[in-house]
Amino acid sequence: QKEVEQNSGPLSVPEGAIASLNCTYSDRGSQSFFWYRQYSGKSPELIMSIYSNGDKEDGRFTAQLNKASQYVSLLIRDSQPSDSATYLCCNHRGGGADGLTFGKGTHLIIQP
Amino acid sequence: ETGVTQTPRHLVMGMTNKKSLKCEQHLGHNAMYWYKQSAKKPLELMFVYNFKEQTENNSVPSRFSPECPNSSHLFLHLHTLQPEDSALYLCASSQEDRKNYGYTFGSGTRLTVV
Repeated sequence: QKEVEQNSGPLSVPEGAIASLNCTYSDRGSQSFFWYRQYSGKSPELIMSIYSNGDKEDGRFTAQLNKASQYVSLLIRDSQPSDSATYLCCNHRGGGADGLTFGKGTHLIIQP
Repeated sequence: ETGVTQTPRHLVMGMTNKKSLKCEQHLGHNAMYWYKQSAKKPLELMFVYNFKEQTENNSVPSRFSPECPNSSHLFLHLHTLQPEDSALYLCASSQEDRKNYGYTFGSGTRLTVV
């Protein structure tokens, strides 16, 4: 069974600090990994994608992937109150027949 | 109109009603999806349409019936729902021949079954 595990939180981080969000997955056939941000009452918004082992940086966000450990993480540098949201980790096998498999999400709170 | 639009935004229906949710994507994508989001649960994939062909049905009860008349439109027909079907229903689209399989989601329909 394909599963994606995340700590539901809440994770509380002071403004300006680094927020670290973690995710593990069970499907070794996963090819693509994504982080979505979801504000309360809103739909998920794609913020990062990663396909290869290592780090990928985009502005204040860094995604890290370790396929051997089946582990994905998201780092948010210089955290802002506007980063407060639920962060959803998900993966994809790469075939057209499969949808994205999501974790339950981590609720992040940035304290001013 | 840009992105993925869903209507209605909110829907309250009785258990004997029949209603439909509508989704339209303006991104030129060739795959569309229905997801269900309930409190304290991960997003659950319900249906996948790839090039207008339904390729996945994750054991969804028959009271949910999808329809995809073309690559831009997707419907979810609802009938004789149960209170536990109350949830946020999200439509998404993607371009399946690109390596980036990230989805674009619509704003969702908040469904309440009474």
